[in-house]
Amino acid sequence: DGGITQSPKYLFRKEGQNVTLSCEQNLNHDAMYWYRQDPGQGLRLIYYSQIVNDFQKGDIAEGYSVSREKKESFPLTVTSAQKNPTAFYLCASHHLRQPGNTIYFGEGSWLTVV
Amino acid sequence: AQKITQTQPGMFVQEKEAVTLDCTYDTSDPSYGLFWYKQPSSGEMIFLIYQGSYDQQNATEGRYSLNFQKARKSANLVISASQLGDSAMYFCAMREGSRSSGDKLTFGTGTRLAVRP
Repeated sequence: DGGITQSPKYLFRKEGQNVTLSCEQNLNHDAMYWYRQDPGQGLRLIYYSQIVNDFQKGDIAEGYSVSREKKESFPLTVTSAQKNPTAFYLCASHHLRQPGNTIYFGEGSWLTVV
Repeated sequence: AQKITQTQPGMFVQEKEAVTLDCTYDTSDPSYGLFWYKQPSSGEMIFLIYQGSYDQQNATEGRYSLNFQKARKSANLVISASQLGDSAMYFCAMREGSRSSGDKLTFGTGTRLAVRP
């Protein structure tokens, strides 16, 4: 079945470490997104990409990095520069410029700093 | 300015009654799409309903309908005959297609709905 796969679902990070969250989709979608969600809060955009080898910063990109070397993959690295990384991270994707299209989400990754 | 505004942080509704969740948006792009998502405590995002800016009729999907008032820039979600399983966070989102913003998807802060038996 087509969909988005995020891994790992739960991740613990020591302070000062970089960690990478994986997001893979087999939907042939052009656009991919990373969102951060804090408890009881909305989704804030970290980075998004509309095409391979190109991506744009969202509203809270500081302390994060991404790459888009393949259409189906959009990994997010949470660097040590991100001072408060404990949150729920959601990856999403969709076709570009197709009205009425739904946006697919992964199941999310919970990151905790210990 | 906020792109998507949801002014109700939390709401209660009696089982079997209807409830309206508010959403207003701000865009200068003539072409945009509006979405509603449900997020239960498990964290997954469940698509509920979509409204395109050029759609003439309000969108409906089963018990969900979207009250789209373009001039007021509002896209309220109406849930009819509420069920206990409707208790969740609800997010309004907008997808703009302008050249300046790219194909960007922006979410509101959400409304937590609790259905009372």
